[in-house]
Amino acid sequence: NAGVTQTPKFQVLKTGQSMTLQCAQDMNHEYMSWYRQDPGMGLRLIHYSVGAGITDQGEVPNGYNVSRSTTEDFPLRLLSAAPSQTSVYFCASRTYSGVKNIQYFGAGTRLSVL
Amino acid sequence: AQSVTQLGSHVSVSEGALVLLRCNYSSSVPPYLFWYVQYPNQGLQLLLKYTSAATLVKGINGFEAEFKKSETSFHLTKPSAHMSDAAEYFCAVDSSSNTGKLIFGQGTTLQVKP
Repeated sequence: NAGVTQTPKFQVLKTGQSMTLQCAQDMNHEYMSWYRQDPGMGLRLIHYSVGAGITDQGEVPNGYNVSRSTTEDFPLRLLSAAPSQTSVYFCASRTYSGVKNIQYFGAGTRLSVL
Repeated sequence: AQSVTQLGSHVSVSEGALVLLRCNYSSSVPPYLFWYVQYPNQGLQLLLKYTSAATLVKGINGFEAEFKKSETSFHLTKPSAHMSDAAEYFCAVDSSSNTGKLIFGQGTTLQVKP
């Protein structure tokens, strides 16, 4: 049981380049989300999805796009990378079934934008 | 709007000493509260959660937290620190029990000295 899988683990970009951070979960969870982690700021929600075809913005959505074409996958796209997007990115998922209310996190993607 | 404040970005204890990590929250509705732990270069792992049942919540690795509504607090404790407890700890509140949008505190790094 893989849980939440993020790829790549590390990435270095130049300013203006685009890339997609991949996130996949094998638990059939309805809810998926992306957070960024910066020193002294905890984790901040970028975008989230409550099911296939449904996405919404979180606290810090600017510069990022998402789509949810399948239950399993929730990629995060950086259209034109900026140094301010240097961060560690975490994907998370949870189910709405029962009262578990627990989010499972991937291992993270460390992104540097030069 | 919900918010979470963790008092103390760094806490240092001796091995065998009491661990106390402080978390205060702000919420206009009964909150769902969580503590997560992050070991170096890893994702977040759930330690424990409060979901309006018992106010004293026991988690993994000997940790527990007490929900105090009058103080809007959810402090994390462990009677005896172990070297393996050294990590970063995050307190989080669920802004809505339906969507699962977590709001995190800034994090507290726990150092355990031999």
